[in-house]
Amino acid sequence: DQQVKQNSPSLSVQEGRISILNCDYTNSMFDYFLWYKKYPAEGPTFLISISSIKDKNEDGRFTVFLNKSAKHLSLHIVPSQPGDSAVYFCAASGTGNQFYFGTGTSLTVIP
Amino acid sequence: NAGVMQNPRHLVRRRGQEARLRCSPMKGHSHVYWYRQLPEEGLKFMVYLQKENIIDESGMPKERFSAEFPKEGPSILRIQQVVRGDSAAYFCASSLGRQATQRIQYFGAGTRLSVL
Repeated sequence: DQQVKQNSPSLSVQEGRISILNCDYTNSMFDYFLWYKKYPAEGPTFLISISSIKDKNEDGRFTVFLNKSAKHLSLHIVPSQPGDSAVYFCAASGTGNQFYFGTGTSLTVIP
Repeated sequence: NAGVMQNPRHLVRRRGQEARLRCSPMKGHSHVYWYRQLPEEGLKFMVYLQKENIIDESGMPKERFSAEFPKEGPSILRIQQVVRGDSAAYFCASSLGRQATQRIQYFGAGTRLSVL
């Protein structure tokens, strides 16, 4: 039962443009959401998080938006850079002990 | 960043052998999590431990798999009598706590287990 879904396996964006990565979840008890970035042969690296009491959190070029009614979150990267090319995972957490991860979106930023 | 350290990075075992994966959490972190990633899939939770205690092992297969986090030393994920289906990347993560931003999990580079 996939509680966190990333329906786009891949995304290509021109350098300098905006990258928008999407994530949907099913469990309304989730109250904390995170985005991780992963390069091949490395572990996931924490990027940005958002609590369910907010609808937006910004950190430099990265902004996460949360729409609780739609059970949807998105990560915006602007401007996109070639070094942003990686696999991006969204994760969600509730009162339990684990994070639930999506299957990832592979972002390619074209120079 | 004295990050999460996992070793070995690569581990090759023959069917029926035992695999031991080690994880040292970030300095100051006492919460450790193990995840498994199969090819083309996301990370799947296996177990959550604090020092000397298994808090949640709901994601761990009931047989052949065990985990510990002793008072001294790294956390160990142990897989007995490995089978080809155990081939995967195993990631360890640690966090400072369970409240607010303390629950951000920081990951190691993973151990890639190959079962021949």
